[in-house]
Amino acid sequence: AQTVTQSQPEMSVQEAETVTLSCTYDTSESDYYLFWYKQPPSRQMILVIRQEAYKQQNATENRFSVNFQKAAKSFSLKISDSQLGDAAMYFCAYRSAMYGGSQGNLIFGKGTKLSVKP
Amino acid sequence: EADIYQTPRYLVIGTGKKITLECSQTMGHDKMYWYQQDPGMELHLIHYSYGVNSTEKGDLSSESTVSRIRTEHFPLTLESARPSHTSQYLCASSDASSYNSPLHFGNGTRLTVT
Repeated sequence: AQTVTQSQPEMSVQEAETVTLSCTYDTSESDYYLFWYKQPPSRQMILVIRQEAYKQQNATENRFSVNFQKAAKSFSLKISDSQLGDAAMYFCAYRSAMYGGSQGNLIFGKGTKLSVKP
Repeated sequence: EADIYQTPRYLVIGTGKKITLECSQTMGHDKMYWYQQDPGMELHLIHYSYGVNSTEKGDLSSESTVSRIRTEHFPLTLESARPSHTSQYLCASSDASSYNSPLHFGNGTRLTVT
């Protein structure tokens, strides 16, 4: 079974600085998808960024980028120019590309709580 | 601009009561999910559905039940609430046609059973 590990329960960053959140996963599959979700306090969980395993190029979305190391099974999230609104829980998630069954469901890590200091 | 709606947002109820948590989405998604999340903790999948009349149990055992009579509606029911059911319940949906499609989450229902 696949697992997702986020080894940093909490992180802190100064406003305007850069922070990297770690995520590792374990799988024997070669084709899969990886996601980062953001859950602000008492607000809706939203997608931050996603990566297809077959793509070597790292995904970027404005100030958010990933460092995808397939061989190392690592999928870290980098937030540049951190803003107060970036404070939230961040969840890394894995989805198998196998067709059908529960394999298509997301597997979440335990999350990293990010604080942004003004 | 949520396209997936959960009601109520907060619910405090006594032990033994029957409750139904509502979830509706307007995106026409076939797949819908219920997750249970304790404060500041990870998400655990408790139920999911591939479409109308399809329901499956998730990874975490739950005493709740779900139904999917209409594509847009995926309610969760607890026949007899207990304090151990106190948690946040998140509903989500996704487009089943692509494994790359993300989950869209509702705002959640925070349930407290006294």
